[in-house]
Amino acid sequence: NAGVTQTPKFQVLKTGQSMTLQCAQDMNHEYMSWYRQDPGMGLRLIHYSVGAGITDQGEVPNGYNVSRSTTEDFPLRLLSAAPSQTSVYFCASSYLGTGPGDGYTFGSGTRLTVV
Amino acid sequence: SQQGEEDPQALSIQEGENATMNCSYKTSINNLQWYRQNSGRGLVHLILIRSNEREKHSGRLRVTLDTSKKSSSLLITASRAADTASYFCATGGVSGGYNKLIFGAGTRLAVHP
Repeated sequence: NAGVTQTPKFQVLKTGQSMTLQCAQDMNHEYMSWYRQDPGMGLRLIHYSVGAGITDQGEVPNGYNVSRSTTEDFPLRLLSAAPSQTSVYFCASSYLGTGPGDGYTFGSGTRLTVV
Repeated sequence: SQQGEEDPQALSIQEGENATMNCSYKTSINNLQWYRQNSGRGLVHLILIRSNEREKHSGRLRVTLDTSKKSSSLLITASRAADTASYFCATGGVSGGYNKLIFGAGTRLAVHP
């Protein structure tokens, strides 16, 4: 019962480098999403997916790519890191629709610093 | 742009007191959810209320929803030091977008022993 697993927990990148943040869930959730959290701004949606092969943009998609080749995995790629992408990144998943008490299950986050 | 906005931004109370946080939103919703985040951790789902519900309870939590005013409140009764955390409301849209949650900036709650 791992839930949502994010790796790495911490990362420092240089401007212009690329990297992939990993997210995996073992709950057979159809819906997966990526958020970034900046001080005082809550969580902003980057990209989301409603199933394998289907992705869409959220509020702040620029500079990020996603793909969903399996139900379990939803990696987030930073194409060319910029200091403005310094943030804490959260992956979350849920069943599609809203059953009784449904909500997101969040990973523990990846703290990314771009220097 | 954020859909939900919490009020107050910060709240400081003593153990045993009740804590009330409010959330306002702008567009029609399918559901509204509340989450808790302890410092440096991921968010934890607390409670979900649907647009056709007015009130919901879960343990010491009571959530109300007023769709005519586009607002919700979260009441934590008999607060404990362990309730110290940030609390976020999140709204799910209509027309199949109910899974796509938009979060507010949160309320920081400090409960002092």
